[in-house]
Parts: sequence; C-alpha cells; structure tokens
Amino acid sequence: GQSLEQPSEVTAVEGAIVQINCTYQTSGFYGLSWYQQHDGGAPTFLSYNALDGLEETGRFSSFLSRSDSYGYLLLQELQMKDSASYFCAGAKYGGATNKLIFGTGTLLAVQP
Amino acid sequence: KAGVTQTPRYLIKTRGQQVTLSCSPISGHRSVSWYQQTPGQGLQFLFEYFSETQRNKGNFPGRFSGRQFSNSRSEMNVSTLELGDSALYLCASSFGTGVQETQYFGPGTRLLVL
Repeated sequence: GQSLEQPSEVTAVEGAIVQINCTYQTSGFYGLSWYQQHDGGAPTFLSYNALDGLEETGRFSSFLSRSDSYGYLLLQELQMKDSASYFCAGAKYGGATNKLIFGTGTLLAVQP
Repeated sequence: KAGVTQTPRYLIKTRGQQVTLSCSPISGHRSVSWYQQTPGQGLQFLFEYFSETQRNKGNFPGRFSGRQFSNSRSEMNVSTLELGDSALYLCASSFGTGVQETQYFGPGTRLLVL
C-alpha cells in the first residue's frame, strides 16, 4: 500500500526548534511536499523537496532522503501562530498526471 | 488574484440524498483536485481534472463523481449519501499537473450527513 506516517502530536515552547518526521512505505514518489493547516482553515503550501537534501524557506526547512524513504520539516524560532496541523505529501505519478498522497498529519501545539 | 472558492461552505443532508459541491479555481489554473478530509482517515485524494478531463482517481466508490467545465470550474457529486460521507471536502487548484506544481486549497465544504 501507499502510506506516509507522521507523529500524531508534537508539543514545543515558543522560541524552540521542532522537527516533524515523515516516513513513507511506497515507491515511486517524485518528491515530498509539506502543508500547514490551521484549525478550520485550508491547507497551505510550505515547501517541496524534489531532490534529496535540505530546502530552507525562512524559519522553515524541509529535508528529504529518498533512499531512506524519510523526510522532515524543521520549524525554528517557534511562534504561537505556528500551532497547526502539518502534513507531508508524496507526489506520485498517476498515469497521465500526478497526484498527492497525504500523510497522517501532525498536530503541533506551541506553548508560551 | 482571488483564491480558490468553494460553495456551499456548509451543508446538511440526510442519508440517501445526493449532493453537488462546487469549486472555482484561481484564474488561469487548469487543474482541479478534490480531497476528502476526516479525523480518522486524514486527507484522501478523490480525483483530479485537467482541461475538462479526469486525469486521476482515488479509491472511492462510484457514488463519488465529478466534472470540470471549460472555464476550469469543477463540481463533485455524491449520490446516495451515507453517514460516513460526513467530512470536509477540499478542492485545490494548480496551473498544471507537474509534480512541482503547488496546490492552492479552497476553504472547503463541510458536509454533515444525518
């Protein structure tokens, strides 16, 4: 089957650094994306790793290792507004086009 | 540019009924994907449309269908509703269908089946 596993919940304090892991059990993923979703809101795109290695976008960094079927999202200098659900998503070729398969999601709670 | 819009935002139906949800993508975007989000199953891919053609389909029963119009607006239909269809239905648009394309999500339609 195709699945991307994430920890269900992570708690951290303001100003800290937190890493959210994503491991997947399928082959054929072209890359890994990360989305943020606040409670009641729409998922919003954070980053995309097409190649192995680290991608940095401001306070957020994302890492991918396709040989290890593993990726992570690193959030630095945590702020209260970072409290949200975070989803990794694998981009998989689906015939004529491509589709995203989402991970189970991680609820991040940032405490003061 | 205006974002992705979905109508209606909230909907209550009873078992056995059918429902049609609408999605208007960002102007210029030709790909529209639909997802079902539930607490137990997370975000699950329903289908993707590009240039009025269904390009991809997830593992949902035939009661779930969709279409896309020439202006890229998309609708999805669920017939013979079941209690388990209660969920947040999200659509996302992108310019193309490549793996590097960022998907922009709408606010979703929250469907409650009684």
